[in-house]
Amino acid sequence: EDQVTQSPEALRLQEGESSSLNCSYTVSGLRGLFWYRQDPGKGPEFLFTLYSAGEEKEKERLKATLTKKESFLHITAPKPEDSATYLCAVQIFGGYQKVTFGTGTKLQVIP
Amino acid sequence: DSGVTQTPKHLITATGQRVTLRCSPRSGDLSVYWYQQSLDQGLQFLIQYYNGEERAKGNILERFSAQQFPDLHSELNLSSLELGDSALYFCASSAPGTGDRAFFGQGTRLTVV
Repeated sequence: EDQVTQSPEALRLQEGESSSLNCSYTVSGLRGLFWYRQDPGKGPEFLFTLYSAGEEKEKERLKATLTKKESFLHITAPKPEDSATYLCAVQIFGGYQKVTFGTGTKLQVIP
Repeated sequence: DSGVTQTPKHLITATGQRVTLRCSPRSGDLSVYWYQQSLDQGLQFLIQYYNGEERAKGNILERFSAQQFPDLHSELNLSSLELGDSALYFCASSAPGTGDRAFFGQGTRLTVV
């Protein structure tokens, strides 16, 4: 069964304190790995898609990387507005394109 | 604003009842996805439609059904509701050739009492 595990469940950072969020996955044939940001009571907002090991994507203070077993979301010098839950999701090949989400990392950035 | 519209935003109903949630995808998007998000669980994929046809099915209960209409809007029907069905229900849409990068609506919060 496809599995996506995110760690830590929650992370509290001081403003400017860089860190990384982890998404490890066990799937049979990865088609793509997605990162989303979700604010309370809102729908997830797309951040990145990664397709192959070694791939990296950047957007402002965020950088996503992918290996064969996990993905990292690096947050450099975070600001309070980066506080949100970050969700990782995987999509597999194989006749249909089901997307499986992890339970997320809740990030709080303190001024 | 993602361009995906979900109605209603909030819904309170009694156990045993039936409700319909509606989703209008972004203009040009052919795929519609439905997800359930409970307090203690992540986003659970329910079902995907592509241009009116069912494309993929996740952990959708038999009491739940969905369809996508010719104008591409979609409806999720939930029947014989139970307390455990209380959750946020999200619709998302994506365009052909975008790797299924999905845009999510604001969700419908369903409370079953």
